Amino acid sequence: RKEVEQDPGPFNVPEGATVAFNCTYSNSASQSFFWYRQDCRKEPKLLMSVYSSGNEDGRFTAQLNRASQYISLLIRDSKLSDSATYLCVVIRSNDYKLSFGAGTTVTVRA
Amino acid sequence: DTAVSQTPKYLVTQMGNDKSIKCEQNLGHDTMYWYKQDSKKFLKIMFSYNNKELIINETVPNRFSPKSPDKAHLNLHINSLELGDSAVYFCASSRGNEKLFFGSGTQLSVL
Repeated sequence: RKEVEQDPGPFNVPEGATVAFNCTYSNSASQSFFWYRQDCRKEPKLLMSVYSSGNEDGRFTAQLNRASQYISLLIRDSKLSDSATYLCVVIRSNDYKLSFGAGTTVTVRA
Repeated sequence: DTAVSQTPKYLVTQMGNDKSIKCEQNLGHDTMYWYKQDSKKFLKIMFSYNNKELIINETVPNRFSPKSPDKAHLNLHINSLELGDSAVYFCASSRGNEKLFFGSGTQLSVL
């Protein structure tokens, strides 16, 4: 089983829609979680950290469910510019190994 | 100012050649990484250095040799390039196990 798994999508949504997707992790010792965004042919860029209590940044909401070992990202009021691949990142507490998911592709259409 | 810069951006070469990719970060981070992203878009870690010491060395052919002359630089040298080495290589840095900052990538094409 992969350490970090994501639904690859693609999620095709109209502008203004809400889209949400999860990322599951297998190691319960994981301690830090992030969402990155990667545009085509560009480097991944940090979108937001994921905190235990959940956190929001504008139209983006990240949640952590330790019991079920997943994190989620919700995008409200989707914009065309939200079209990208969203990568989840998990860091283990025992050895600080960082693992990337394979990414979830979101396409927002006009 | 670019925080993590890597050169060249594009590298086209013949099979069997030796090539290097350079990476520099001006963020004062103590940890640097090399990642490979293949055509399936999966980001796979290759190496990680902390304070110039190798701490992660995933299953990578020994044709790949990282070199860290100081904390701000981590270069990647590849010997005897093969077709399967074609990919985008990303350098990244972080402060300890905090969030990563990536370079803009090097598109390597082996012909």
